[in-house]
Order: sequence, then C-alpha cells, then structure tokens
Amino acid sequence: DTAVSQTPKYLVTQMGNDKSIKCEQNLGHDTMYWYKQDSKKFLKIMFSYNNKELIINETVPNRFSPKSPDKAHLNLHINSLELGDSAVYFCASSHFYRKDTQYFGPGTRLTVL
Amino acid sequence: AQKITQTQPGMFVQEKEAVTLDCTYDTSDPSYGLFWYKQPSSGEMIFLIYQGSYDQQNATEGRYSLNFQKARKSANLVISASQLGDSAMYFCAMRGQYNNNDMRFGAGTRLTVKP
Repeated sequence: DTAVSQTPKYLVTQMGNDKSIKCEQNLGHDTMYWYKQDSKKFLKIMFSYNNKELIINETVPNRFSPKSPDKAHLNLHINSLELGDSAVYFCASSHFYRKDTQYFGPGTRLTVL
Repeated sequence: AQKITQTQPGMFVQEKEAVTLDCTYDTSDPSYGLFWYKQPSSGEMIFLIYQGSYDQQNATEGRYSLNFQKARKSANLVISASQLGDSAMYFCAMRGQYNNNDMRFGAGTRLTVKP
C-alpha cells in the first residue's frame, strides 16, 4: 500500500506557466509538508499543514501556494514558474505530536524551460 | 535556531565493512528527535532510523545503528556489513519540541560501497 503518493512524478513546463503537484497520504497523519530539494541535494522545508492550517511558511515566494482540502491531501500550486523553480519537490507527512515519524513521497522532478 | 552539520560530502567503504557517517547538531530545544534518511539514485527518501533526545539507549534498526552522544551533540549513523545497495546519499535531520514540524536537514553524505 502506498503511504505517501505524489503526482506527477515528472513535470516539464515553460517559464511563466502555472502548475500543480498533488500529494496524498493514507497513514492517518494530521500534518503534511512540502520540501524542495535543489540541484545540490539540499532539502529545505517550504510549508507545513496541520489539520488544514498552515503552520510553517518559510521564506517562499508567494507564487507558491499550498492547498489542503482535507487532512489526507496537500497540493502545491505554483504560479508564473521561473527557471529557479526547477528542483525536486517532496511531500511528507507525520503526526503533529509524535516526533518519531515523518514519511516522504517519491518526489516530483520539476523542470522549467 | 536549529542546525544540522554533516561534514563528509563523500565517503567510501569496502563491501562487508562497517562505516560511520557523521552528524552534529545544534538546538536549544530540551526535547528533540534525530533522523537518518537514505536517498538512492532513484530519488526517493527512505526513513532509516530515529533517536529521541531522552532515549536512554542508542537506536538500532537491522544493520543501522545511531551512535547518539548527547553531550557532544552528535548523532552518527553506523552501517554494519555494508552492501552495494547501501550506495546512496544519507541525510541527517532533526525535529525540535517547540516547533514540532520544523525538521531541518544536513547537507548529506554520499556513500559509495566498493566491491
């Protein structure tokens, strides 16, 4: 059974376009996250949602907007894509009050041309 | 602020030998969790092992063990009996108490297992 899933796995698009990445978890977790991994493999948290409320919003451009229709889903919408947005985006989930778990999705490789 | 440091960009180990990947951290939280993840060339992030800051014993999961030295703020990963499939990037991460969702990652160590 898939625990954390993301679609699409690959996304190639032109500069200026708007795109979305979907994430779903079936682990019963109440918190979901988006991370960005750059070309140097550095992972940085972008957003966190707990019970559909935004908890963390690191210094991410407002072109990025997370949307959580329910506890099991956290989608990432990106407006006016730029070359620098090219990266791998990971969704993850965990329990808010348990520190011992955080599971990642397979990642979405976004390439902006 | 939390900080995770992995000082080894790359490591080599002979197959069947043990290897230690270093991780040091800095935090003012009294309670925190330390994680190790493996990222093979296929790209997924695989959870390996967890150590709580108040856990009395070092965590172990199969061939993985975490050498936790709280006073030194280090959480090194030990992989015993290395296998070719262990070749991957390894990330150390920490999650604090007061901001439960604030997980910070180190820069990673690329491990290559030689036959």
